[in-house]
Amino acid sequence: DADVTQTPRNRITKTGKRIMLECSQTKGHDRMYWYRQDPGLGLRLIYYSFDVKDINKGEISDGYSVSRQAQAKFSLSLESAIPNQTALYFCATSGGYSNQPQHFGDGTRLSIL
Amino acid sequence: GDSVTQMEGPVTLSEEAFLTINCTYTATGYPSLFWYVQYPGEGLQLLLKATKADDKGSNKGFEATYRKETTSFHLEKGSVQVSDSAVYFCALSDGEGAQKLVFGQGTRLTINP
Repeated sequence: DADVTQTPRNRITKTGKRIMLECSQTKGHDRMYWYRQDPGLGLRLIYYSFDVKDINKGEISDGYSVSRQAQAKFSLSLESAIPNQTALYFCATSGGYSNQPQHFGDGTRLSIL
Repeated sequence: GDSVTQMEGPVTLSEEAFLTINCTYTATGYPSLFWYVQYPGEGLQLLLKATKADDKGSNKGFEATYRKETTSFHLEKGSVQVSDSAVYFCALSDGEGAQKLVFGQGTRLTINP
């Protein structure tokens, strides 16, 4: 079983719809992150969380919100999806020690028509 | 702010060729440096890392040396295989607090038999 699981893996939806992407992890890590990947731009950080009570905006948080329901669960929401949010979305986790690598899920491919 | 610049892709090589993917960075302080690899349909996996100047990270025949004087972390492999075909991302982390990763744009590598 994957350590970091994202659902759904693929989603096609229409402009204006509310979307939720879910991430769960079994690594016991405190830190969780949401990124989006666009061709030629690498990955950019949307939100990150140190624990259930701590949520922080990343580089490109506009149009997104998150919820940390438990240590193991971190959800990303698009309240009113727009076409330029079409991208590949990744969840990642890391331990609390300095220089620890991040562990990524397999991604959610989201298309907004 | 911090940034990472990678060699433009795509890169196509023949099996057993020598590989170099260039990566340079701009950062305040003393970042940690990473190479991640993304195989088709999968999330990113840590390939190697270096946490201080002159450190050499290595894994699966790949190597990269943290060069503070040239702010570089070039990825090398002496003899590539078809199975090395993937997208490679250079990234840095400030190593403090949030340990946020800043990614380069990615380099797609294709190895032909």
